[in-house]
Amino acid sequence: AQSVTQLGSHVSVSEGALVLLRCNYSSSVPPYLFWYVQYPNQGLQLLLKYTSAATLVKGINGFEAEFKKSETSFHLTKPSAHMSDAAEYFCAVSDLYSSASKIIFGSGTRLSIRP
Amino acid sequence: GAVVSQHPSRVICKSGTSVKIECRSLDFQATTMFWYRQFPKKSLMLMATSNEGSKATYEQGVEKDKFLINHASLTLSTLTVTSAHPEDSSFYICSASTRGYNQPQHFGDGTRLSIL
Repeated sequence: AQSVTQLGSHVSVSEGALVLLRCNYSSSVPPYLFWYVQYPNQGLQLLLKYTSAATLVKGINGFEAEFKKSETSFHLTKPSAHMSDAAEYFCAVSDLYSSASKIIFGSGTRLSIRP
Repeated sequence: GAVVSQHPSRVICKSGTSVKIECRSLDFQATTMFWYRQFPKKSLMLMATSNEGSKATYEQGVEKDKFLINHASLTLSTLTVTSAHPEDSSFYICSASTRGYNQPQHFGDGTRLSIL
């Protein structure tokens, strides 16, 4: 079985500060990992994905995440937060990045940006 | 990029009525579609997976007679909430992907369902 745990349901940072959203995964097979962003009353937008290539994955909007197998982590970071980054962020895991595979989502982390 | 359109974006109806939500892939063939339910301030819970032309596979605990899913074409899947009650109020999101290895899921913008 696969699962992801997001540490911290709410993270608040100042504009311009480092953003760090934590995600740990559990998987009995090599995982494919994702970070999605959700703005209020909207669907999900893919930020980035890890599919067993480079362990440091760069995504859209200046976000990146590093896959650390030894720590079973896939934390999301951004060097400098913008007000527009305020949203809900979901870490997710799948065992095969294919059309037939389920994606299991974490519980989400709400990111707030202080002016 | 790939676009998935979900309609309606918001619906309010009386208890006991049935509500249909459409999920369309606008520029690709969606061989597989997924339906999720999201409670306020909660994560997405997969309800069912549907492959074009086949019956949907429901997750444990999801009532198949309550949530009817049809995926009759490569561009359209529908979710019908039958005899809806206030506890069915939620945010429903679909996603779609096409056949092949390493194909991503593309998400719709969701439907806010409110049952009075």
